[in-house]
Amino acid sequence: DGGITQSPKYLFRKEGQNVTLSCEQNLNHDAMYWYRQDPGQGLRLIYYSQIVNDFQKGDIAEGYSVSREKKESFPLTVTSAQKNPTAFYLCASGQPSYNSPLHFGNGTRLTVT
Amino acid sequence: GQQLNQSPQSMFIQEGEDVSMNCTSSSIFNTWLWYKQDPGEGPVLLIALYKAGELTSNGRLTAQFGITRKDSFLNISASIPSDVGIYFCAGQLKGSQGNLIFGKGTKLSVKP
Repeated sequence: DGGITQSPKYLFRKEGQNVTLSCEQNLNHDAMYWYRQDPGQGLRLIYYSQIVNDFQKGDIAEGYSVSREKKESFPLTVTSAQKNPTAFYLCASGQPSYNSPLHFGNGTRLTVT
Repeated sequence: GQQLNQSPQSMFIQEGEDVSMNCTSSSIFNTWLWYKQDPGEGPVLLIALYKAGELTSNGRLTAQFGITRKDSFLNISASIPSDVGIYFCAGQLKGSQGNLIFGKGTKLSVKP
């Protein structure tokens, strides 16, 4: 089945550690996105990539880093510089053109203590 | 940044009731999307709208792209318990590169 796979579903880390969240898609989409979701808030864009080996900062990129070495993969690293890393992280993919809705993975819930 | 105003923020439904929610903005959008999110899951696309005035249905769900291109609504008819969840609107701004702006969501719960 075509889709977007995020792993792991739950992730626990100690404060001060970097952690990488995985996102893989087999939809042959050019664009991939990372969003952060906090209770009572909409989805906020962290980073996006419209083509391999290129990516741009979203609205809340500070404390995060990404890479896009393959079309299918867009891992997100939450660094120790992110002040409030505990959140639900959603990966999405789509085509960067009109008439192309985003498709989402099932998310990773990161808890940092 | 740009914002979408989604309302209501939350609502309680009784089985069989019709439900309505909407999103508004001061900006013009080329695309309106409606998603539903269940707890602990990713949003799932319900309806996509691409033309001003467009009215589209998906089962008991109906959504419209406002004529001014600044708003959209979603109606759910004859609600059932599995309709509970969070509904998000998302819009793609005119002239943007495809990035979406999301509303803060409408949480649907069942009346006790």
